[in-house]
Amino acid sequence: AQKVTQAQTEISVVEKEDVTLDCVYETRDTTYYLFWYKQPPSGELVFLIRRNSFDEQNEISGRYSWNFQKSTSSFNFTITASQVVDSAVYFCALSEATAAGNKLTFGGGTRVLVKP
Amino acid sequence: KAGVTQTPRYLIKTRGQQVTLSCSPISGHRSVSWYQQTPGQGLQFLFEYFSETQRNKGNFPGRFSGRQFSNSRSEMNVSTLELGDSALYLCATSLGGSGGVYEQYFGPGTRLTVT
Repeated sequence: AQKVTQAQTEISVVEKEDVTLDCVYETRDTTYYLFWYKQPPSGELVFLIRRNSFDEQNEISGRYSWNFQKSTSSFNFTITASQVVDSAVYFCALSEATAAGNKLTFGGGTRVLVKP
Repeated sequence: KAGVTQTPRYLIKTRGQQVTLSCSPISGHRSVSWYQQTPGQGLQFLFEYFSETQRNKGNFPGRFSGRQFSNSRSEMNVSTLELGDSALYLCATSLGGSGGVYEQYFGPGTRLTVT
């Protein structure tokens, strides 16, 4: 069975600090997809990134970057120079390609609080 | 392009009643998934519909059911409500064809409170 673990439940930083969110996953499939979503106080989950298991290249999008390491089953997310608007709960999720259709297994989420 | 819409946004029901929630997908999206979010259990997958057929199902009792219409709009129904059904119900839609896993886009959710 697939599982996603986000060990950090809450992280508090001061604006402009960098923050890294950890995500460790378990799956028996060789083909799978990993995702990160942001849930601001409004409640709606916002898609950030999708990565398939064959693409281990790190990715950078503005102040966001992702580090995928298959050897350690981790898909970590870093926010550089954090801003107050980054305050939200961030979820890592996994979807196995062998399962028909779309089914996301989420981690427990990490609440990020950025103080001015 | 309009996003995913869910109605109603807030709902208060009494134990034992039933409730129907609605989700309208992004234009062109044919897959609709439903998730339950609670403080204790987090985000849990309920079921997914594609082309009016249930394609995936999570580990929820039969009181939770859904359907999808020919225009891809979906409804979920919870019968005989229990206090533990109080949650944020999120709908997510994607292109959803076979041969790949697509990113899902979420609606704002329906906050259900059971008293």
